[in-house]
Amino acid sequence: SQQGEEDPQALSIQEGENATMNCSYKTSINNLQWYRQNSGRGLVHLILIRSNEREKHSGRLRVTLDTSKKSSSLLITASRAADTASYFCATATDSWGKLQFGAGTQVVVTP
Amino acid sequence: ETGVTQTPRHLVMGMTNKKSLKCEQHLGHNAMYWYKQSAKKPLELMFVYNFKEQTENNSVPSRFSPECPNSSHLFLHLHTLQPEDSALYLCASSQDLPASGSTDTQYFGPGTRLTVL
Repeated sequence: SQQGEEDPQALSIQEGENATMNCSYKTSINNLQWYRQNSGRGLVHLILIRSNEREKHSGRLRVTLDTSKKSSSLLITASRAADTASYFCATATDSWGKLQFGAGTQVVVTP
Repeated sequence: ETGVTQTPRHLVMGMTNKKSLKCEQHLGHNAMYWYKQSAKKPLELMFVYNFKEQTENNSVPSRFSPECPNSSHLFLHLHTLQPEDSALYLCASSQDLPASGSTDTQYFGPGTRLTVL
């Protein structure tokens, strides 16, 4: 079964607005990572949050982690057209930390 | 530019062909991965290599055959594929194979878009 599931599946916003997407997972993790993928390209790592952390920032990105609810959120503030991409959460769960990816949230930012 | 390159970027092959995908990482990493990405589905981990040794084969059909001659290069040999094998094949690397409580960031190549006719 799928470990991480992103919500919503797709999101369409205008430049300058904030974009929020969520990730829920089933089993306990040692860390959760967010990746971004432009159409037809490879994934690019955005941010990693460890299980003992609750919030992390990187530029216009803010990630939260709630281990009691087994969920994480990714917030992109003041979005730009260049933020148009698919965003994936990936969780590391077992003793050697194999990453499991969700199906992604497709974000479209229109000028 | 993530330091991981893949060739070819696009490949169209018939079901009876034999072809190979190549991945090279310039990051000095020890672990390398093959993933399959199909439309609307999560990434599927196929193979994991650590210091040239295969540590994971995620129930992948034998028509996919990986090869890791050294820590910098990873190949995926393809033969007698099916149309449902059409997908984006992504290679990734990480500094080390994840250990308990520690999972490294993975660096991905741009992928090979494979179409099987």
